[in-house]
Amino acid sequence: KNEVEQSPQNLTAQEGEFITINCSYSVGISALHWLQQHPGGGIVSLFMLSSGKKKHGRLIATINIQEKHSSLHITASHPRDSAVYICAVSQMNRDDKIIFGKGTRLHILP
Amino acid sequence: DAGITQSPRHKVTETGTPVTLRCHQTENHRYMYWYRQDPGHGLRLIHYSYGVKDTDKGEVSDGYSVSRSKTEDFLLTLESATSSQTSVYFCAIRGTGELFFGEGSRLTVL
Repeated sequence: KNEVEQSPQNLTAQEGEFITINCSYSVGISALHWLQQHPGGGIVSLFMLSSGKKKHGRLIATINIQEKHSSLHITASHPRDSAVYICAVSQMNRDDKIIFGKGTRLHILP
Repeated sequence: DAGITQSPRHKVTETGTPVTLRCHQTENHRYMYWYRQDPGHGLRLIHYSYGVKDTDKGEVSDGYSVSRSKTEDFLLTLESATSSQTSVYFCAIRGTGELFFGEGSRLTVL
C-alpha cells in the first residue's frame, strides 16, 4: 500500500464545476504539499500546509491531521485548471524524505 | 518564483555515453533532490543532498551518481547511460518547508 494515496486518479468535469481532489497518508508528517503540473510542463507548488486551511484565488486546501487526510478544492473550474495535481508529504523527523502520491489527472471541458 | 534552473533542458544521447545534468539554485537552500518522472510511476527519488558534500541515495539510485561541491549546484551523472534511463528528470530544492522544482530535463538514450 502506498503511503500517500490520491483519489480520484482521473477526473473530467465541465467548466464551472466545483472540484475536489483527496489525499490520504499513513505516516506522521511535518507538512503536506499540493503541486500542479500542466501537460509537458514543470511542477509548481500550490500549497504547503500543516494544519487548517489555505486559500489562493479559486484554490482551497484543507488538512485534517487526526484523520491524515487533505483535500484540494477548485471553485468555478476553468479549462486552464486542466493539469495533474500531486499530493506530497514531508515525513516527520525525516527532513530528507518527501513521499509523493501518483497524482490526479484533471480535465476541465469548456 | 524560486531561483532554480536545470541544464540541459533536452538531451539525446547514445547508450554507453556519460551524461551530466546540472541543477543550480540561487536560494541558498540546504536540501536538493533529483527525481525522475516516468508514466505510471510518478516522481521517484534518485539522490538527495542535505549540504555541501553531503549526499545520500534514494529509491532508484542504481546507475546514477551525484556531487555537491557548492551550495548552489547539485550535479547528477549517468556514468554510462542506458535506454532505461530515458526519462524526465526534475531537480527540487527545499528551504523552510516549501518545495520548488526546476523545469525538468528531458533525456533520451538511444
